[in-house]
Amino acid sequence: GAGVSQTPSNKVTEKGKYVELRCDPISGHTALYWYRQSLGQGPEFLIYFQGTGAADDSGLPNDRFFAVRPEGSVSTLKIQRTERGDSAVYLCASSVDLNTEAFFGQGTRLTVV
Amino acid sequence: DQQVKQNSPSLSVQEGRISILNCDYTNSMFDYFLWYKKYPAEGPTFLISISSIKDKNEDGRFTVFLNKSAKHLSLHIVPSQPGDSAVYFCAAKKSNFGNEKLTFGTGTRLTIIP
Repeated sequence: GAGVSQTPSNKVTEKGKYVELRCDPISGHTALYWYRQSLGQGPEFLIYFQGTGAADDSGLPNDRFFAVRPEGSVSTLKIQRTERGDSAVYLCASSVDLNTEAFFGQGTRLTVV
Repeated sequence: DQQVKQNSPSLSVQEGRISILNCDYTNSMFDYFLWYKKYPAEGPTFLISISSIKDKNEDGRFTVFLNKSAKHLSLHIVPSQPGDSAVYFCAAKKSNFGNEKLTFGTGTRLTIIP
């Protein structure tokens, strides 16, 4: 596709459940980033991949959060035992490399009830 | 602690007038600044950036001004158009870091009144 695609657009889940959020980056972009935007806040960095490896996961809030990018393209953000505080818009972005412009997807709005 | 601050959550401007969005930062290590624009249900899109070696960068109707001593930057849009209505995020980083080290402000919702 032409841009970064995130699925689903919206996800409502019950507290304690497991969720997976998917990101399809722009073809050829080696760098992929996950950000989280809570209500009334700006996006906050979670993790970034250079190729298949997680180069920096220092933004993940705790060990319930995990992300993979097994073939260096599509990435999945996985959240275990979801809590109401996990409710936010999860944004994915990709770029040709770490220092070129990052293009964002439309985000997945996660609501934990 | 909020290292990048946008103290105005919202701003309304008449079409054709100048829109001025402000941003303050506290981390003196930041030396590269970006503005992003976000429409509802879309991701942020890059608008304009400035390095700390400059105090002004212009791109069409958009100009960003940087005052390093005051740790303040502003985005000027002139003339403002209805399509400029969006949320604007200021972001900052150290220039030798990449996109993963962007620190965003909380955003300002700009509404252009026809």
